[in-house]
Amino acid sequence: DGGITQSPKYLFRKEGQNVTLSCEQNLNHDAMYWYRQDPGQGLRLIYYSQIVNDFQKGDIAEGYSVSREKKESFPLTVTSAQKNPTAFYLCASSKWTDQETQYFGPGTRLLVL
Amino acid sequence: QQPVQSPQAVILREGEDAVINCSSSKALYSVHWYRQKHGEAPVFLMILLKGGEQKGHDKISASFNEKKQQSSLYLTASQLSYSGTYFCGTEMAGANSKLTFGKGITLSVRP
Repeated sequence: DGGITQSPKYLFRKEGQNVTLSCEQNLNHDAMYWYRQDPGQGLRLIYYSQIVNDFQKGDIAEGYSVSREKKESFPLTVTSAQKNPTAFYLCASSKWTDQETQYFGPGTRLLVL
Repeated sequence: QQPVQSPQAVILREGEDAVINCSSSKALYSVHWYRQKHGEAPVFLMILLKGGEQKGHDKISASFNEKKQQSSLYLTASQLSYSGTYFCGTEMAGANSKLTFGKGITLSVRP
């Protein structure tokens, strides 16, 4: 079955710690996205990537980093510079062309200890 | 620019109809609608394309007014399973499917 997987489902971060969230897709999509979701805020774009080895900042990139070494994978690192990391993180993918929809993974909930 | 969704919340009884709206200050190329249950991923419902084509759910309909840059989602004969938060994502020309999402509308269907 084609789809997007994210792991872990829950992640706990200690003060000063970097943590990495995994996102993998087997839909053969070129584009991948990371969103942060806070209550009442909708989905805010953190980073996106159109092609391997290339990515762009979204609206709230500060305190986050990404890599895109393989087409299938787009991991997100929440660094210690992100002072308010508690949120629901969603990964999505799509074809990189106009008027194509995005498909979402199940999400990772990040909590700070 | 984040699209504006209205109303903020909707409460219905089973079988009733509802309309939820999404408007943008920018010229749009497409509008995408998603429904999200609490703690789960958003699920794609429908895409409306500039030019009038629609793709998506056969029990939910929608419209796209290109002059006003507004889209409306029509939920008819609502079922309990329609409960959730509805998001619109808007795409501008040349964005290659990069979307900007509204804050969402919570819809609750009661027996």
